[in-house]
Amino acid sequence: EAGVTQSPTHLIKTRGQQVTLRCSPISGHTSVYWYQQALGLGLQFLLWYDEGEERNRGNFPPRFSGRQFPNYSSELNVNALELEDSALYLCASSRSRIEQFFGPGTRLTVL
Amino acid sequence: DAKTTQPPSMDCAEGRAANLPCNHSTISGNEYVYWYRQIHSQGPQYIIHGLKNNETNEMASLIITEDRKSSTLILPHATLRDTAVYYCIVRVTATSGTYKYIFGTGTRLKVLA
Repeated sequence: EAGVTQSPTHLIKTRGQQVTLRCSPISGHTSVYWYQQALGLGLQFLLWYDEGEERNRGNFPPRFSGRQFPNYSSELNVNALELEDSALYLCASSRSRIEQFFGPGTRLTVL
Repeated sequence: DAKTTQPPSMDCAEGRAANLPCNHSTISGNEYVYWYRQIHSQGPQYIIHGLKNNETNEMASLIITEDRKSSTLILPHATLRDTAVYYCIVRVTATSGTYKYIFGTGTRLKVLA
């Protein structure tokens, strides 16, 4: 069974730019979660999508947004990038709402 | 939102039990406690979860105090492969039925040969 996949693996942007990160869940999983892992800060919950709808979001500004497509894949968009947005962005998928299966992450560097 | 507090790091001898504590003193009655671990450069891996009762699976045991204000993850026979950052997480459920996972900064467990 293929795991959660994310693209790209690494990304370098400059302040003010916009970025789109992509996530493909495990087949059969309808929920996708996004997390930000900045250095030394642990995992911060960003967004939860289920059946195409945003179900919940963490304490992040509106410039962090996303969507989930009919095939349950998801995009995370970050507008007006700031230096502190540099982090590892992790996507997880779930079917049972008990376990979340995480992808390898996208490492974003903002210069 | 309930928050978790964990020691930043711990060492454990290989073959011994690793006991990882977590405080979640503001947890509400319907909020689950989850544990994940993250081995360097990989995504977090689910370990175990519980609400009130102690739980055990093939990976670990979870002991939750009666007042639910703290819990302990127990790895009964730690191996070098258990070296990782362990996250204690509270799953917060909103009245709408939605929920989110509140991660702490985790405990970096180092298993020593």
